[in-house]
Amino acid sequence: DAGITQSPRHKVTETGTPVTLRCHQTENHRYMYWYRQDPGHGLRLIHYSYGVKDTDKGEVSDGYSVSRSKTEDFLLTLESATSSQTSVYFCAISGRPGDTGELFFGEGSRLTVL
Amino acid sequence: SQQGEEDPQALSIQEGENATMNCSYKTSINNLQWYRQNSGRGLVHLILIRSNEREKHSGRLRVTLDTSKKSSSLLITASRAADTASYFCATYNTGNQFYFGTGTSLTVIP
Repeated sequence: DAGITQSPRHKVTETGTPVTLRCHQTENHRYMYWYRQDPGHGLRLIHYSYGVKDTDKGEVSDGYSVSRSKTEDFLLTLESATSSQTSVYFCAISGRPGDTGELFFGEGSRLTVL
Repeated sequence: SQQGEEDPQALSIQEGENATMNCSYKTSINNLQWYRQNSGRGLVHLILIRSNEREKHSGRLRVTLDTSKKSSSLLITASRAADTASYFCATYNTGNQFYFGTGTSLTVIP
């Protein structure tokens, strides 16, 4: 299995509080991604990173920010959590997302915003 | 949205039968990939097909790609109870982004 660790795996929080999810990899892969998974929507890209301090928005980035200060860590922050951000969040990594690259996924972080 | 769609949303078959699921997408792609997700777990890569390929095989998996119709299909032959999972297609473009379909939930009845 690819070395990807997400933390926390489960979190319950209240509306308006800040939340940070962490993705840690031991594969030294350049590309890292945050997705959210919701019933009926599949996986939707929130943000991704193509190197240290290099990040870009995905299709559902509103209300989320990310940071990548080291190759191995990619943080997803909800500055002020809302109930619509209740979801399962997946981190994924890829070394060569071009012609032959694939994504390796973490086990997910289940976030409930009350 | 650049998300693709998969059909059927749910599929239930008997063990030993073949399972076919389809994926449609919206934009031009470099490659298309299929992933599997067991309940409560992360996704696992199954197979990749490049935009200039039309068919690819891997064990009991057969993938086809029709770029003119922007569609792909995944065939699992001689299904097993252990194949029960959700299956997702994902498209990759030159923007270093992967876009996933909405998934097909497959149940294989022993």
